Formats: sequence, structure tokens, C-alpha cells
Amino acid sequence: GEDVEQSLFLSVREGDSSVINCTYTDSSSTYLYWYKQEPGAGLQLLTYIFSNMDMKQDQRLTVLLNKKDKHLSLRIADTQTGDSAIYFCAESRGGYQKVTFGIGTKLQVIP
Amino acid sequence: KAGVTQTPRYLIKTRGQQVTLSCSPISGHRSVSWYQQTPGQGLQFLFEYFSETQRNKGNFPGRFSGRQFSNSRSEMNVSTLELGDSALYLCASSLEAGSMNTEAFFGQGTRLTVV
Repeated sequence: GEDVEQSLFLSVREGDSSVINCTYTDSSSTYLYWYKQEPGAGLQLLTYIFSNMDMKQDQRLTVLLNKKDKHLSLRIADTQTGDSAIYFCAESRGGYQKVTFGIGTKLQVIP
Repeated sequence: KAGVTQTPRYLIKTRGQQVTLSCSPISGHRSVSWYQQTPGQGLQFLFEYFSETQRNKGNFPGRFSGRQFSNSRSEMNVSTLELGDSALYLCASSLEAGSMNTEAFFGQGTRLTVV
């Protein structure tokens, strides 16, 4: 079955880059997502990448996909205190919106 | 345009009761999915509806059910509540699953506490 794994916690200093890693098992994954959840809020889609892409950049966010190793990463440049949140890696085949999420990585930004 | 609206935001129920949660998708969105979020299990897929039909279902017992109305609004129902059903229930809507536009927008969730 599908499984998505990510580390639970990451702490970085303000201004540094953050890299959150994720691995997935479903080789049929078509879409890979990064969601952000702030305390008391729902999920906010940050970015997504199609499985036929290697990299996607959107302002401070860079997503890297290694399809061979089924490894996805999210790099946040110049991390700010407002980036403190839980980041979820997720995948789907794109068919019926069954998105499989990782457990979430809590990013703590130290001023 | 308005986002995904879930009601109520907070709910406290006792064991054995049943509960109904509501989700209004973004206008024009026809696909609605439900997820359960708990600290121990993370986010788990419950089911997905499209045009009033359940098309996909996660690994949850039959106490968890749902439906979608003709206006795409969806409800989920949990009967015979257990303490372990305490969770944040998130609803996501998307324009049309299976197309290139598969971005799902999430509501803020309903926090259910079973006592």
C-alpha cells in the first residue's frame, strides 16, 4: 500500500535554509504535495510537483524530486519565524483525490 | 470566492452518541474528500465523493459514513462514538478529481472531542 514517511521535527535559525525530507513508497504516485498547517488552522497547499518533474521553484520554496529513490524534499530559503508550522508531504495518483499524507514535520524557527 | 466551510468548528460528544459534520465546498467544486487527523495516526483518508457518489473509501469501520448532496455539500456521520474518534476532521474540495486540476483546498476542520 501507499506509505509516506517524514521526520517529526526540524529546528532552524531564522535566516537559514530549511530542508524537509520525505520518502514515499507508491511508484504510481503522480502528484506529490507539500502542505502547511499552522496551529488551529486547516491545511494550506504550498506547492506540488508532477512525478515527471525533477524540480520546481516558487519564490522561497524549492521542491526536489528523486523519482528513482522516491524521495521528495522541500527547501525553504531565508526561513522566517512565520514559517513555523507543521509541513506535510503527501502523494496521490491523481485519480479520486485519495491523498496519502506523511505524519508531518514540525518546523521550529529560532529567532 | 469563499473557501471550504466546515461546521461546526468544535464539538463535544459522549461515547455512544452519533455526530454529523458538514462541509460546503468551494463554489463549482464537485469533489469532496474527508480526512481524520489525530496526533498518533496523522492524516488519514476517510472517503471521497463526486457528483453524489462515493468513489473511494479509506480503511475505517462502517460507523463512519458520508454522503454528498446535489449542490456538492457533503456530510459525514459517525455513529456509536468511541473515545478514539476524537480528532480533527478535515474536508477538502477540488474542481474535478481525475483532471489536471487536482489541487485540493482544505477547510479549517471540525474538532471533535468524545468524552
